[in-house]
Amino acid sequence: DTAVSQTPKYLVTQMGNDKSIKCEQNLGHDTMYWYKQDSKKFLKIMFSYNNKELIINETVPNRFSPKSPDKAHLNLHINSLELGDSAVYFCASSQVGKVMNTEAFFGQGTRLTVV
Amino acid sequence: GNSVTQMEGPVTLSEEAFLTINCTYTATGYPSLFWYVQYPGEGLQLLLKATKADDKGSNKGFEATYRKETTSFHLEKGSVQVSDSAVYFCALSEGYGGATNKLIFGTGTLLAVQP
Repeated sequence: DTAVSQTPKYLVTQMGNDKSIKCEQNLGHDTMYWYKQDSKKFLKIMFSYNNKELIINETVPNRFSPKSPDKAHLNLHINSLELGDSAVYFCASSQVGKVMNTEAFFGQGTRLTVV
Repeated sequence: GNSVTQMEGPVTLSEEAFLTINCTYTATGYPSLFWYVQYPGEGLQLLLKATKADDKGSNKGFEATYRKETTSFHLEKGSVQVSDSAVYFCALSEGYGGATNKLIFGTGTLLAVQP
């Protein structure tokens, strides 16, 4: 039973298109994230939601719009795709408390290729 | 701001060799520290963690000790196997008042173990 699942796993699209990536977690966590991994494997946070509320927006272009319909889902919509958006996008979730040691569980990633 | 620096790879070892991957951090306060592993084509998995100074995290033969005096969290394994070939990420957790945690990652170190 997959804990954090995201779809699709691969996405190839043309510049200028709009695409969405979906993420669902069945761990009962209250916090979800989107991370971006570039071609050099560097990982950086994009967004974080807690109980459907946006907490972190890490200076991501407005073309990226996350949406959290409920605390188990966090989708990522990208408008007007650019070549530089090509990357692997990881969804993650965690149960955040007062102690900063909570493990984040990651999905398998979505490899987005913009041509 | 907070940051993580880890040794550049690739690290190439023969099976049963000793492994060390260096990781140092810069942070205000006392963050939790993590090692994540990414096997080829997969998402990130937590390998081990430590939440306070002098804590030792361990899992699958890997160990790392939270050293506050040297701000380090080096990953070690006494005898690597071919199946350990992966990218290893050191990370620290930055909290947002209990609403969410942000993982700040190092650049990742590719480990290749040869038979």
